[in-house]
Amino acid sequence: QSVLTQSPSASGTPGQRVTISCSGSSSNIGRNVVSWYHQLPGTAPKLLIYGNSQRPSGVPDRFSGSKSGTSASLAISGLQSEDEGDFYCAAWDDSLSAWVFGGGTKLTVL
Amino acid sequence: EVQLVESGGGLVQPGGSLRLSCAASGFTFSSYWLQWVRQAPGKGLEWVANIKQDGSEKHYADSVKGRFVISRDNAKNSLYLQMNSLRAEDTAVYYCARAYFDFWGQGTLVTVSS
Repeated sequence: QSVLTQSPSASGTPGQRVTISCSGSSSNIGRNVVSWYHQLPGTAPKLLIYGNSQRPSGVPDRFSGSKSGTSASLAISGLQSEDEGDFYCAAWDDSLSAWVFGGGTKLTVL
Repeated sequence: EVQLVESGGGLVQPGGSLRLSCAASGFTFSSYWLQWVRQAPGKGLEWVANIKQDGSEKHYADSVKGRFVISRDNAKNSLYLQMNSLRAEDTAVYYCARAYFDFWGQGTLVTVSS
């Protein structure tokens, strides 16, 4: 049972907009910034979003992040086949003094 | 180019020990917090431990507290994870990562089995 809650799966067709949510609490998302990661099978995760909504260089602007209260969201517009994979959110938890990850959302491009 | 390369994984019996290493290059190693994250087969990411720039502050996941020790050698640009009293549930790919996980290594597989 992950401290941050994500829906196990999401799907969309090419070109569509998909949103992945991440729900936490006042000790993690409520107080700290959220980051998002994308993982393809057999590879290491890759940073997509940091500081709630900042994109590292090289990440397309099709990816956007937001946070409100104790929840965060990752939006992917103009869905492409290469966007398939697993997406994880993460935040520092002040009560646990630990980083916490969401359980992951598997995105399928139909 | 930032590079993180893990090593030291392998097969170990329950109750055994293993030391993982992570060799870093392409950035000022001593300026960053460093992390260990693991992923059990077919499962999600689980944060394991982190260490401050000078090694003066460390944090551990409850699941490994008292069994694992994170350390670093800034002179050698290396991060370590000493894993003791290993259990079957510690079986996973172990990744080292920089700061807020902006860069990751390729991972090293640890299998705990008799």
